Amino acid sequence: GAGVSQSPSNKVTEKGKDVELRCDPISGHTALYWYRQRLGQGLEFLIYFQGNSAPDKSGLPSDRFSAERTGESVSTLTIQRTQQEDSAVYLCASSFPGGPGLGELFFGEGSRLTVL
Amino acid sequence: GDSVTQMEGPVTLSEEAFLTINCTYTATGYPSLFWYVQYPGEGLQLLLKATKADDKGSNKGFEATYRKETTSFHLEKGSVQVSDSAVYFCALSGYSSYKLIFGSGTRLLVRP
Repeated sequence: GAGVSQSPSNKVTEKGKDVELRCDPISGHTALYWYRQRLGQGLEFLIYFQGNSAPDKSGLPSDRFSAERTGESVSTLTIQRTQQEDSAVYLCASSFPGGPGLGELFFGEGSRLTVL
Repeated sequence: GDSVTQMEGPVTLSEEAFLTINCTYTATGYPSLFWYVQYPGEGLQLLLKATKADDKGSNKGFEATYRKETTSFHLEKGSVQVSDSAVYFCALSGYSSYKLIFGSGTRLLVRP
C-alpha cells in the first residue's frame, strides 16, 4: 500500500526476550521517526532518522533499545532483554525532509508489544 | 523543555453537540501547532495545523486558532457526528524542528 507499514501488529513476548519491530515508510520519505505510546499516555519520541543516519537518539530509554535504517527505507527497532515496562504501542512515522513544521508526519498503525 | 497539555478524556457527547477540546502549550520561540486524530484501527493522521499566531487551522468542520497570548490551540467543532469518535492529539513543533511533541490525547465518544 501507499502508507506507512509496521509489523508485527501485535507481539506478545516473555520478559528477557529480544524483539524486533519493523517499519516500512512511504516511498521517498527520507525522515523517519519512532514513538512509543504507553497505555493512557501521550506519544513519547524515541528516535529520528534522516536518511540512514540518526541525528537524534535522545528518546531511547535505555541501551536495551536500538534502531537502524537501511537504504533510506526500512527501519528496525530492537529491544533487548525486554521488561514489562516496555509494554506499549510503538509507532513509526515518516515525512519528507524539513519535518512537521514544513510538512506532515504520516503514521503507521503501530506495533503493540506486550511483555509478560 | 517544550510541552503540550490537553484535557483528559473521555469526552462523551451526543450527536450534533458542540465540541471543545482544550490544548495549551509551553515552548520557546514560535512553534507550529497541530491536531492529529486517531480513528479506531487506524494510524494517526493530521487533522489541521497552524504555523503562526492568530492563524486558524480548519478541516472536516473542525477548527483551532493559534493563540499566542494564552498559549492555546483549542479544538472546536460546531456539530459532532458519530463518525468523529476517535482519539485527538494536540502537538507542537519548534521552528525548523524535525520532531513533534504530543499531548496525552483525548478520547471523544459521540453517541447517536
